[in-house]
Amino acid sequence: NAGVTQTPKFQVLKTGQSMTLQCAQDMNHNSMYWYRQDPGMGLRLIYYSASEGTTDKGEVPNGYNVSRLNKREFSLRLESAAPSQTSVYFCASRGRLETQYFGPGTRLLVL
Amino acid sequence: QKEVEQNSGPLSVPEGAIASLNCTYSDRGSQSFFWYRQYSGKSPELIMSIYSNGDKEDGRFTAQLNKASQYVSLLIRDSQPSDSATYLCAVNMNRDDKIIFGKGTRLHILP
Repeated sequence: NAGVTQTPKFQVLKTGQSMTLQCAQDMNHNSMYWYRQDPGMGLRLIYYSASEGTTDKGEVPNGYNVSRLNKREFSLRLESAAPSQTSVYFCASRGRLETQYFGPGTRLLVL
Repeated sequence: QKEVEQNSGPLSVPEGAIASLNCTYSDRGSQSFFWYRQYSGKSPELIMSIYSNGDKEDGRFTAQLNKASQYVSLLIRDSQPSDSATYLCAVNMNRDDKIIFGKGTRLHILP
């Protein structure tokens, strides 16, 4: 039982490049989330998915797209990376009336 | 105005004393409330969840919720150096699982 896994752990991009951050959970949770964390900013919600087949915008969705591929997987895509997207990205999942479980995070540096 | 507000600190508390962390939220329809602890470079981990008005105790931790005042707090009794971390307040803003975090409060326990 791995919980929530994220790949890659670390990535360096040049401005304008694209990439997809992968997230998977093996807890059969319905809800999944993508957050970004910048120094002094706490966790800011980018997108979330309350169930397979649905996605909704969070607080800071601009510049990102998401795909809820199936119940297990929720990916985050940066189509054209910008330096402002340098951050630590956390994926989380949540079962009904339960807490969120977080992945280990992906550190992204955009040059 | 952010939907979940916390004092960013740092909050310095002597070892053995009580640390008091506070959080306010904007949405009166919010249903569930969480406190997470995050050590530097690590993922957030759940400390307490609370769903109804009043106090909820778990070991040295007590969560307090006042929905009328839109206020939730966390008390840490007999503070230990290992409690030094950032504490994040999270709120389930509505019924579709949108969970928003505050910026977090940095707590420093003085030996």
